[in-house]
Amino acid sequence: AQSVAQPEDQVNVAEGNPLTVKCTYSVSGNPYLFWYVQYPNRGLQFLLKYITGDNLVKGSYGFEAEFNKSQTSFHLKKPSALVSDSALYFCAVRDIRAGYSTLTFGKGTMLLVSP
Amino acid sequence: EPEVTQTPSHQVTQMGQEVILRCVPISNHLYFYWYRQILGQKVEFLVSFYNNEISEKSEIFDDQFSVERPDGSNFTLKIRSTKLEDSAMYFCASSEDQVGNQPQHFGDGTRLSIL
Repeated sequence: AQSVAQPEDQVNVAEGNPLTVKCTYSVSGNPYLFWYVQYPNRGLQFLLKYITGDNLVKGSYGFEAEFNKSQTSFHLKKPSALVSDSALYFCAVRDIRAGYSTLTFGKGTMLLVSP
Repeated sequence: EPEVTQTPSHQVTQMGQEVILRCVPISNHLYFYWYRQILGQKVEFLVSFYNNEISEKSEIFDDQFSVERPDGSNFTLKIRSTKLEDSAMYFCASSEDQVGNQPQHFGDGTRLSIL
């Protein structure tokens, strides 16, 4: 079965500093990887995905993620954090069940950006 | 931008009662999903639905659960006899394709509280 691991429960960063939220994956076959963000009392919002192509993927709100096949990682990054980036971030991998695509999520990482 | 909408935002139900959670997926999407998130835990796949039938379901989706697309717009999740452990946030999602090339779009969720 596919799985993702987010080793950090929480990441703290000061506004203006670069941020990284870590994700590693375990899949059979080619990975389809996603990052979602969840603000309080809201659903999951899609940030970016890696399917194929360039290892550096750019997404919404200035976020990007780097796919590293040898390290089986897909870390989320942003060059300069904003207080408004504070939220819960989920890494996810496509899981094919009976030929249909579903998502398997990591446990989430809370990002706290301080002013 | 089109959104997935879910109603109600919060549902309080007595244990043993039936509950129906409602979702309106994005209009041109063909694949529909339900996920749940128990407080403080990760998002878990429940069921996927396509062409008026379940395409895949998880171990969580037992005989107490059912899904239906009663008309051209709504997608519902029914829990026949609720248990305390059904208390969670339930998220509906939809996508254009089933292979994962297009992201799943999530609603804001229904918070289900079983008393």
